[in-house]
Amino acid sequence: GAVVSQHPSWVICKSGTSVKIECRSLDFQATTMFWYRQFPKQSLMLMATSNEGSKATYEQGVEKDKFLINHASLTLSTLTVTSAHPEDSSFYICSASPPGRTTSYEQYFGPGTRLTVT
Amino acid sequence: KQEVTQIPAALSVPEGENLVLNCSFTDSAIYNLQWFRQDPGKGLTSLLLIQSSQREQTSGRLNASLDKSSGRSTLYIAASQPGDSATYLCAVIENTGFQKLVFGTGTRLLVSP
Repeated sequence: GAVVSQHPSWVICKSGTSVKIECRSLDFQATTMFWYRQFPKQSLMLMATSNEGSKATYEQGVEKDKFLINHASLTLSTLTVTSAHPEDSSFYICSASPPGRTTSYEQYFGPGTRLTVT
Repeated sequence: KQEVTQIPAALSVPEGENLVLNCSFTDSAIYNLQWFRQDPGKGLTSLLLIQSSQREQTSGRLNASLDKSSGRSTLYIAASQPGDSATYLCAVIENTGFQKLVFGTGTRLLVSP
């Protein structure tokens, strides 16, 4: 149980285009999902908290107009990188906390999406 | 601002050794601490979670301890195997009512046969 998937696993896009990344909780419903970014040989940094049915909460320094988050249902959150530039190339990972883990806030992570902007 | 540091940054050991990975955090007001494993180019696998009221958790060859007052946690790996080679990350959730994880810098472990 507590499986989180991401699609695509990797994507290459040209500078100036937009790319959408999906995060799904496969066997549980998640009212809250989280989006992280990881640059090579660095740790994960939280970008935003995705809330089902409401606006996402962005961390300081993350451009909300560039990284659009839509939590369309209790099992799906999407991250759209708009007008992508080479510096947006990174590893994007999402996570969710199953309902049974709400007291411990234990999070389960997706496999990640490697974005390369040329 | 919470900062999480892991020492050492990299570790190379022969198979069979027992080893200890260290994690320290600057603000002791945490809700829990979680240890993860990350294989190259992959997502994170949760290994152990220690709630702030607990002092340790065990799973198989892994044992994690937490000393909240001193801002430290250790991950003990017994009888290391080549399959343990990965990056190990610790992360804390602060006691702010939100579920945000603050990650450490990671320890890259290589266990040679």
